[in-house]
Amino acid sequence: ETGVTQTPRHLVMGMTNKKSLKCEQHLGHNAMYWYKQSAKKPLELMFVYNFKEQTENNSVPSRFSPECPNSSHLFLHLHTLQPEDSALYLCASSHLVPGLAGLYNEQFFGPGTRLTVL
Amino acid sequence: AQKITQTQPGMFVQEKEAVTLDCTYDTSDQSYGLFWYKQPSSGEMIFLIYQGSYDEQNATEGRYSLNFQKARKSANLVISASQLGDSAMYFCAMRGMEYGNKLVFGAGTILRVKS
Repeated sequence: ETGVTQTPRHLVMGMTNKKSLKCEQHLGHNAMYWYKQSAKKPLELMFVYNFKEQTENNSVPSRFSPECPNSSHLFLHLHTLQPEDSALYLCASSHLVPGLAGLYNEQFFGPGTRLTVL
Repeated sequence: AQKITQTQPGMFVQEKEAVTLDCTYDTSDQSYGLFWYKQPSSGEMIFLIYQGSYDEQNATEGRYSLNFQKARKSANLVISASQLGDSAMYFCAMRGMEYGNKLVFGAGTILRVKS
């Protein structure tokens, strides 16, 4: 497998369910990201992990819980979600270099998980 | 204030013609990077092209070129010889130290190529 993979591709869950989204990157990158893409809204950064350490949490509700066991895997654990959490959840990875040298580092995205909360 | 502005919610272009997708940005940084991504209906974000703020020449990548006008803070994407497979959502994004070295995305432009 190459690139960034995400499973499942589609998920339908009730508000009381617990589910997890999985992301795996095969690019040797040191940073991984979770984004939320809702209809008619810009892409929203949720979490950033750099060398397995969370470096960014953009005021995301606690019903979203990320986990990064190693630099190749990233999970998003979901619990008691709301219908407004229905969205496309995209995972990305990049080679993160601090400072100005890191400005050119494109992020490689996975295909996303289309989540529907009923 | 919006950091990345894409004023065209949707665009149509005839197959084999060129099309320009607009992007303006707002930053106080002197050093920053500008990116364009394509998102087909499958959902995956595909990196297209990059322009650094200090690059004197406009970036080109195959049929994609970036019309970079630094003084006007614009970074328009030009797609030449449009193909049906170019139909997708296109996002402009920027990275700079002002925004914590994170990628900040615009709202996107839907492009439809007509045969």
